[in-house]
Amino acid sequence: AQSVTQPDIHITVSEGASLELRCNYSYGATPYLFWYVQSPGQGLQLLLKYFSGDTLVQGIKGFEAEFKRSQSSFNLRKPSVHWSDAAEYFCAVGANAGKSTFGDGTTLTVKP
Amino acid sequence: EAGVTQFPSHSVIEKGQTVTLRCDPISGHDNLYWYRRVMGKEIKFLLHFVKESKQDESGMPNNRFLAERTGGTYSTLKVQPAELEDSGVYFCASSALTSGFYNEQFFGPGTRLTVL
Repeated sequence: AQSVTQPDIHITVSEGASLELRCNYSYGATPYLFWYVQSPGQGLQLLLKYFSGDTLVQGIKGFEAEFKRSQSSFNLRKPSVHWSDAAEYFCAVGANAGKSTFGDGTTLTVKP
Repeated sequence: EAGVTQFPSHSVIEKGQTVTLRCDPISGHDNLYWYRRVMGKEIKFLLHFVKESKQDESGMPNNRFLAERTGGTYSTLKVQPAELEDSGVYFCASSALTSGFYNEQFFGPGTRLTVL
């Protein structure tokens, strides 16, 4: 069965600081991996996705993620956080046209 | 083009009552998914329609939940009778049906259900 673990429930960073959100997954085959963001009152927005090929994936809003098969990880990074990045972030694993399995989410707070 | 829409945005009902949630997918999307997030936990899959057929309903918690997608367009999720543990946010997502390519799931804003 597929599963996703986001070890950090809540992270606080200062504006302008770098960010890394951790994600570990379990999946029987080569996974499709995703990061979503949910701002208050909004739906889930796809930040980036990995299917195959280059293990460093670029997404929207200046985010990137690196797929490491040996560590079963897909950590999300951003070099300089903006106050507008405060939101909840979800890592997910899934198959094409099938269901996605999500982690518990990480809430990001940005200090001025 | 309109995104995935869900109605209502919020619903507050009493235990034992019935609630029906509606999802309108992006036009032309044959895949439709329901997910829910309960008590700040992970977003869990409920079921997946391909057009009007249930492709996968392995996540439906019990027979108090009934999902339909008549005509393969919008979908409804009925909870009858509602229990306290059904409180949470119910998300709908849709994607195109194109073999051989990844089809991104587009999510709606969710319906927040509170059962008192």
